[in-house]
Amino acid sequence: GENVEQHPSTLSVQEGDSAVIKCTYSDSASNYFPWYKQELGKRPQLIIDIRSNVGEKKDQRIAVTLNKTAKHFSLHITETQPEDSAVYFCAASSRYNFNKFYFGSGTKLNVKP
Amino acid sequence: GAVVSQHPSWVICKSGTSVKIECRSLDFQATTMFWYRQFPKQSLMLMATSNEGSKATYEQGVEKDKFLINHASLTLSTLTVTSAHPEDSSFYICSARPPGLVLEQYFGPGTRLTVT
Repeated sequence: GENVEQHPSTLSVQEGDSAVIKCTYSDSASNYFPWYKQELGKRPQLIIDIRSNVGEKKDQRIAVTLNKTAKHFSLHITETQPEDSAVYFCAASSRYNFNKFYFGSGTKLNVKP
Repeated sequence: GAVVSQHPSWVICKSGTSVKIECRSLDFQATTMFWYRQFPKQSLMLMATSNEGSKATYEQGVEKDKFLINHASLTLSTLTVTSAHPEDSSFYICSARPPGLVLEQYFGPGTRLTVT
């Protein structure tokens, strides 16, 4: 089955700096890659996603890039703010079973004011 | 749009008892709902996929007789943890897929279960 690895496990940045979280996947059939933000004790919220027919997607301060050849995708947050502090999860799902999301282990982002 | 609720938000029960958790899609009909389990500071693990009007599809290693899932309507799925034990203590989160979307899942707020 799919194996999604996520790095780093924790990330501290100064307010205004950029943050990058990276994920790799193993199954070449994976074609959908969402990113979720989860604040402590709250629900995971979809913040951005990308499909395999696209190399990059941007939404204001958040962008995701996908390298299908290398099987990795990354979340980029620019001009970070304290409210960006949370745990971020990447996930992947296969074109053969789009119901099953394989989640990365999570990255705890701390934005210091 | 795409709001998913869960009830209760937290529950404490005694070992050996059963607990039911409800997952509702508030502003859409969901033919498919998902149940996840999340241990502290860990990732989400899919337990089962719940389809309205049919049996749930359980992931490998998940005991279907222990974690009973019922998707009785297009807006409600329930997870019943039967004969709960302390090791069942966890954060249970459901998600749902709005109609017309093939891939996206929207998550409920989760239910924290503590078995004493």
